[in-house]
Amino acid sequence: DARVTQTPRDKVTEMGQEVTMRCQPILGHNTVFWYRQTMMQGLELLAYFRNRAPLDDSGMPKDRFSAEMPDATLATLKIQPSEPRDSAVYFCASGSSFTAGAGTDTQYFGPGTRLTVL
Amino acid sequence: SQQGEEDPQALSIQEGENATMNCSYKTSINNLQWYRQNSGRGLVHLILIRSNEREKHSGRLRVTLDTSKKSSSLLITASRAADTASYFCATDEDDKIIFGKGTRLHILP
Repeated sequence: DARVTQTPRDKVTEMGQEVTMRCQPILGHNTVFWYRQTMMQGLELLAYFRNRAPLDDSGMPKDRFSAEMPDATLATLKIQPSEPRDSAVYFCASGSSFTAGAGTDTQYFGPGTRLTVL
Repeated sequence: SQQGEEDPQALSIQEGENATMNCSYKTSINNLQWYRQNSGRGLVHLILIRSNEREKHSGRLRVTLDTSKKSSSLLITASRAADTASYFCATDEDDKIIFGKGTRLHILP
């Protein structure tokens, strides 16, 4: 049963610290998404990759956030330095698409990383 | 950022009744998807409907799409306690994935 995995599941850190979240997409999927979910803003798309290349990261605060895919089995989202307003649940999702743009037929979500910045 | 709108924001119904949720969007789409999220969990894909389709069924789920009104509805028939969750629609508008803020559905025993 293929699943998207994310680590860590929970992270509590202090303001100013670096946070790295990891995601292992489903093998064979060519598109990986990073989302942030809060009560106030709902689910926001931060960035997504197609065939490991970043296609859109316009939803991400560039000064402190960075997303990479060092290889096809690993996607990372880094926040440096972290701030209390970054507290949220961060989801990774993967899917397959052979069309231009962000659309995929189905996105498979990981369980999320709950980040708390004190 | 631009987001689809679901309504109602929250819905409580008795077990066995039907639940209907709506989603509206702003520009043209290739497809529209519905997802479910149980508390504290990731989203789970329920159903996808393409822009050239008007209705789609999957088990107790029925999704309709009206591209002239830029709206979709999700109907859950014969609701069960396990259907208690938040339901989101997602569209691929302007090459971006847009999720709505969701409808919180609560099934009363």
